[in-house]
Amino acid sequence: EAGVAQSPRYKIIEKRQSVAFWCNPISGHATLYWYQQILGQGPKLLIQFQNNGVVDDSQLPKDRFSAERLKGVDSTLKIQPAKLEDSAVYLCASSPSGAGGYEQYFGPGTRLTVT
Amino acid sequence: GEDVEQSLFLSVREGDSSVINCTYTDSSSTYLYWYKQEPGAGLQLLTYIFSNMDMKQDQRLTVLLNKKDKHLSLRIADTQTGDSAIYFCAESISDKLIFGTGTRLQVFP
Repeated sequence: EAGVAQSPRYKIIEKRQSVAFWCNPISGHATLYWYQQILGQGPKLLIQFQNNGVVDDSQLPKDRFSAERLKGVDSTLKIQPAKLEDSAVYLCASSPSGAGGYEQYFGPGTRLTVT
Repeated sequence: GEDVEQSLFLSVREGDSSVINCTYTDSSSTYLYWYKQEPGAGLQLLTYIFSNMDMKQDQRLTVLLNKKDKHLSLRIADTQTGDSAIYFCAESISDKLIFGTGTRLQVFP
């Protein structure tokens, strides 16, 4: 079974530029998560989708971050405009059920550097 | 409140046991987890424990949960160099995972 795929793996941009990340979850997984992991910290949930609807986006900085999951499969996370403090690894995870969380499978992440 | 704390660093000799500790604050957590993160990789679920259990063993891994003290530990028996990584504990609250800051485990020969 293929795992969670993410691209790009690395991205370097200047502040005030825009960037987009892509995630392809495990086939059949209804729930998709985006996490932000700043260096030296644990991952922090940004947004959770159940199929193509948003379940929780309370930690998403909506003035600059947006995410969508069209057709309930792939998802994109966008930052516009980027700030220096957005430098982090962005992790995507998927889950077949969305309940309990013990079946969250993580992708390799996209490392973003904002200069 | 939601807060999960771990010590930052642990160094052990190969073949010894490692014990990684974690404290959490939300008593409503249903599941507690241990994840492993190797350099440049995503998070790998190692094991989890339901909140009404106090111990779970899975091969070299033993999880102990003290719900009264809100303390979780992961013991790795016969630690190997391949166990070197960052270990995160996490609690589940309303389908959301709250992660600790991670403990870097270094195994030396």
